[in-house]
Amino acid sequence: DTGVSQDPRHKITKRGQNVTFRCDPISEHNRLYWYRQTLGQGPEFLTYFQNEAQLEKSRLLSDRFSAERPKGSFSTLEIQRTEQGDSAMYLCASSLALAGGTYEQYFGPGTRLTVT
Amino acid sequence: GESVGLHLPTLSVQEGDNSIINCAYSNSASDYFIWYKQESGKGPQFIIDIRSNMDKRQGQRVTVLLNKTVKHLSLQIAATQPGDSAVYFCAETRGTSYDKVIFGPGTSLSVIP
Repeated sequence: DTGVSQDPRHKITKRGQNVTFRCDPISEHNRLYWYRQTLGQGPEFLTYFQNEAQLEKSRLLSDRFSAERPKGSFSTLEIQRTEQGDSAMYLCASSLALAGGTYEQYFGPGTRLTVT
Repeated sequence: GESVGLHLPTLSVQEGDNSIINCAYSNSASDYFIWYKQESGKGPQFIIDIRSNMDKRQGQRVTVLLNKTVKHLSLQIAATQPGDSAVYFCAETRGTSYDKVIFGPGTSLSVIP
């Protein structure tokens, strides 16, 4: 257990429905990342926050995807009008960014989304 | 474009032997290279990283080698144990702060008891 938790662990939804995932990072970590991983592939970066500010978004993050971190603690990732191609594992990671040094990212167990 | 990839998708090793997992990268601007281990049902776990100005770094039972001339990265695991069975990803990032990590496709390591 890395200390990063994600909820739910599994989600099955029908195409066209909206889904929301939650990530609780390690409490003192100021950075939070979202990745998507499909079977047999490495995780792909989606977006990241430093505190409550969303600093970068991947081109993979279409208009149907939105992420928030309103108080700089937990984060939510919402997918609107889900499509079958959204089926994947959604991973959250957190890290402590300080001036200088390297910042290891600690990953949560992921939320597996299946769109039927 | 940027890419980090692996030479072999699967690797089987006898317990107690040393394992070597290889990775090729194409982005010379990467500042750090990282190895992650991912067990079934879990998120990736950081193993070791190496800065681009280094050739070798050692950890506990693991060594990472970086050859910038041929853009090659390897992870050596000494005395491989059944608990080492997992998928291993090489990854790269830029800057000192790991803004985003770019992962390769992974190598599945199976340890034969």
